Formats: sequence, C-alpha cells, structure tokens
Amino acid sequence: GENVEQHPSTLSVQEGDSAVIKCTYSDSASNYFPWYKQELGKGPQLIIDIRSNVGEKKDQRIAVTLNKTAKHFSLHITETQPEDSAVYFCAAWLAGGTSYGKLTFGQGTILTVHP
Amino acid sequence: DTAVSQTPKYLVTQMGNDKSIKCEQNLGHDTMYWYKQDSKKFLKIMFSYNNKELIINETVPNRFSPKSPDKAHLNLHINSLELGDSAVYFCASSQELEWGADTQYFGPGTRLTVL
Repeated sequence: GENVEQHPSTLSVQEGDSAVIKCTYSDSASNYFPWYKQELGKGPQLIIDIRSNVGEKKDQRIAVTLNKTAKHFSLHITETQPEDSAVYFCAAWLAGGTSYGKLTFGQGTILTVHP
Repeated sequence: DTAVSQTPKYLVTQMGNDKSIKCEQNLGHDTMYWYKQDSKKFLKIMFSYNNKELIINETVPNRFSPKSPDKAHLNLHINSLELGDSAVYFCASSQELEWGADTQYFGPGTRLTVL
C-alpha cells in the first residue's frame, strides 16, 4: 500500500513570509496529490491538487510542485496571512489495480502565521 | 448551501453503547467515504461506497457497520463502543471513483467521546 510522510509537523512563520510543506510517497503508481486545509472544528477542505502528468500548479498565493522521480511533492504558500493558520494535509491517491483506489494522508502540519 | 452534512456534531456516550452517525451529500456524487481522525489529527479512511455498494473496507472492526440507503446517504453504526473509538469521524463524497481520483468534499465531522 501507499505510505505518505509529511514534514514539518509544525511550522511557525511571520505574516508576509513564505511557508513550505513537503511530502514524500512510497508507491510510484500514485497519480493524484491533493492538499487539504483544516481549520479548527471543521472538516478538511481542498486548497489545491496536482496530477502526475503535471510538475507544477499555481493558484494565487498557493503553489504545488511534484517530482515523480523522487516521489515527493510540496506546498508553497507565499505572502502568508494570519488566516492561513490551520492544519495542512497532503495526500496521495493510489489506484487499487483492478479495484478502486484510496487516498492516503500525511500526518499533517500545524501552520501558525504570526501577525 | 450545505454540501456534505453530518449529524450529530458531538456525541458523548458510555462504553458498550451502540450509536449511529448520519451523513448526507447534496452534490450528486456517486461515492461516499468515512474517515477517522484520531487525537493526533491523523486521517485514515475506514470505508468507501460507490452507488450504494461497499468498495473499500480498511480492516475496520466489524462493530462498525456502514449503510448506504441511497447514493446521497452513508450512515455509520457502531456497536459496543470502546474507549479507543473516541475520535472525530468525517464523512466525504466525490464525483466518482476511478483510476484518476476526483476531489473529495468533507463534512464538518462528528466528535465521538466514549466514557
């Protein structure tokens, strides 16, 4: 099965700085990599995703990069704001051969943006 | 408009009791999921259903029994609750489950506390 490692577990930055969260996955057959943001008391919400045929994707202050050879992908947040403070999860989707696949999540990163 | 809703939001009960959590999605999705988030925020899939049929069962104890009366609903019944069942349970849905995954939309979660 798939195994996803996420680092760091906590990240503290000043407002306006950039934040980078990194994930590695174990199964080279994984082909879809979403990032979720979870605010306190709420469910995870997708913020950006990338598929294995793309190396980079950007949406305003958020970008994701994927290195298939090294089996790692990263989330980049620029010009951080206090409202970016949350728990961020990476995930990898592995199709299950002839059966359905599933998402495996990283351990999460608690991001704190100080005003 | 609520996309994925769960009831109840909080559930406090005694060990040995039986309880149910309900989930509904109004997105017209074909696939629904149950995830468990433990005290360390780790998210792990428990079940997935596609068009009312069980697709994934991640070696969850058979005290947990999901039921999907129709495509829009996926309920979770738990028998003989144990202390270790205390967690936040999230329901999610996606458009379809295929070789290339689609975005999963999460509900607000149900915090289960077993005393």
